[in-house]
Amino acid sequence: ILNVEQSPQSLHVQEGDSTNFTCSFPSSNFYALHWYRWETAKSPEALFVMTLNGDEKKKGRISATLNTKEGYSYLYIKGSQPEDSATYLCAFTGTASKLTFGTGTRLQVTL
Amino acid sequence: NAGVTQTPKFQVLKTGQSMTLQCAQDMNHEYMSWYRQDPGMGLRLIHYSVGAGITDQGEVPNGYNVSRSTTEDFPLRLLSAAPSQTSVYFCASSYDFPGGLNYNNEQFFGPGTRLTVL
Repeated sequence: ILNVEQSPQSLHVQEGDSTNFTCSFPSSNFYALHWYRWETAKSPEALFVMTLNGDEKKKGRISATLNTKEGYSYLYIKGSQPEDSATYLCAFTGTASKLTFGTGTRLQVTL
Repeated sequence: NAGVTQTPKFQVLKTGQSMTLQCAQDMNHEYMSWYRQDPGMGLRLIHYSVGAGITDQGEVPNGYNVSRSTTEDFPLRLLSAAPSQTSVYFCASSYDFPGGLNYNNEQFFGPGTRLTVL
């Protein structure tokens, strides 16, 4: 069973704060790393799919970096807003046709 | 496009009962999968399919069956429900399978089915 770990488990920030969280995954047999945003009572929605070491992707105030050699990815949120409150999931694909998800980082942004 | 649809949204079963959770997508996606979500466990893969007629087991397949007779549909069957199967079930689809040639292979998730087994 592959080990995909996310930290912290939960995070509480104030509006305007910038924040980041970590996803660690096996560094061998890497194929892709996914990030998803999951709001309460909704379905997970894809943010990024990253495949290359050193990759950096950005969508608005959210960005992600990837280090496949050491097996980690960071997700950054600049100037957090209350609507950013959600659980952020990462998922790893190795050589098998499966995604292995981490348990997520729950972010709460308050005014 | 409706995207990925799941029915029912909620279901309560008694131990030993059987039922089928329905999943359909209208995006002509080849890859479909079922996950269960339990507190503190994240999303765990139950079964997946890389195309019509092909299915395979995920991380937690015991107690569940699947079939893929068409590209659009991927039903999940519980043959004899147990309280341990109380969970929220998500179906997902993507154009290609994870690890396929299409690198930007995001998964599209259905709205989920909340199942309680008494």
